[in-house]
Amino acid sequence: SQQGEEDPQALSIQEGENATMNCSYKTSINNLQWYRQNSGRGLVHLILIRSNEREKHSGRLRVTLDTSKKSSSLLITASRAADTASYFCATKGGGSNYKLTFGKGTLLTVNP
Amino acid sequence: EPEVTQTPSHQVTQMGQEVILRCVPISNHLYFYWYRQILGQKVEFLVSFYNNEISEKSEIFDDQFSVERPDGSNFTLKIRSTKLEDSAMYFCASAGQGEKLFFGSGTQLSVL
Repeated sequence: SQQGEEDPQALSIQEGENATMNCSYKTSINNLQWYRQNSGRGLVHLILIRSNEREKHSGRLRVTLDTSKKSSSLLITASRAADTASYFCATKGGGSNYKLTFGKGTLLTVNP
Repeated sequence: EPEVTQTPSHQVTQMGQEVILRCVPISNHLYFYWYRQILGQKVEFLVSFYNNEISEKSEIFDDQFSVERPDGSNFTLKIRSTKLEDSAMYFCASAGQGEKLFFGSGTQLSVL
C-alpha cells in the first residue's frame, strides 16, 4: 500500500510567503517525519511528530497531524529562496517495524 | 557534526556486473538502512539492518542484493548482477536510539 503521499507535487511561491504541503497515509503509524532534499543530495530530517501529538513547531516549521484523517501538513512560514528543495513525509509503523516509508515528495520553489 | 559518508559518489557499470556501494554510518548508530531513488520518483526502502542481521527488506531486495557490515564502521550494499532498472541513486542511512534517520549524499549508479 502507498504510504506518505504528498500534495501538491510541485509548489511555486514568492519569497516571504508561506508554503503548505500535505501528506496522506493509509495505515496506522507510530510517528510521521518530514525530510528535505536539495537537488542531488541526501535527505535531511526536519521534524518528527508522534501519533499522540497534534501539532509541533520548530523555528519556521509547523507540522500538524490528524490521525483520524490519516493526514499531516507541513507549513513553512516566511519562506526564503534557500528553502527551495523537495520535501518528503515519511511514516513509521508500529511494532518492530524499523523502516520509514517515504512519499513522492513536493518540489517547493521559492522565487526571490 | 557527524555525518554518513558514501563512496563512490558516481558508479558506472555494465549490465551483469557486480557492484559494491560503500557507506560509513555515524559511529555510535545502531540501525542501518539502504534506500534508493530513481530520478524524480519516490524514495524506496530496500533493507534495514540491526544487530548484525537484516531486520526487514522490501520486495526490491531480492537475492541479487546483499548487505554486509564487515567491520565496526563500514556498511555495504552489493548487487551481484546489475540490471538496467537498477540505475538509481542509492542512499545509506543510519539511526541511533532516536527515530530520525541520517542520510548520506548518495551513490548515483548507472547501469549501461
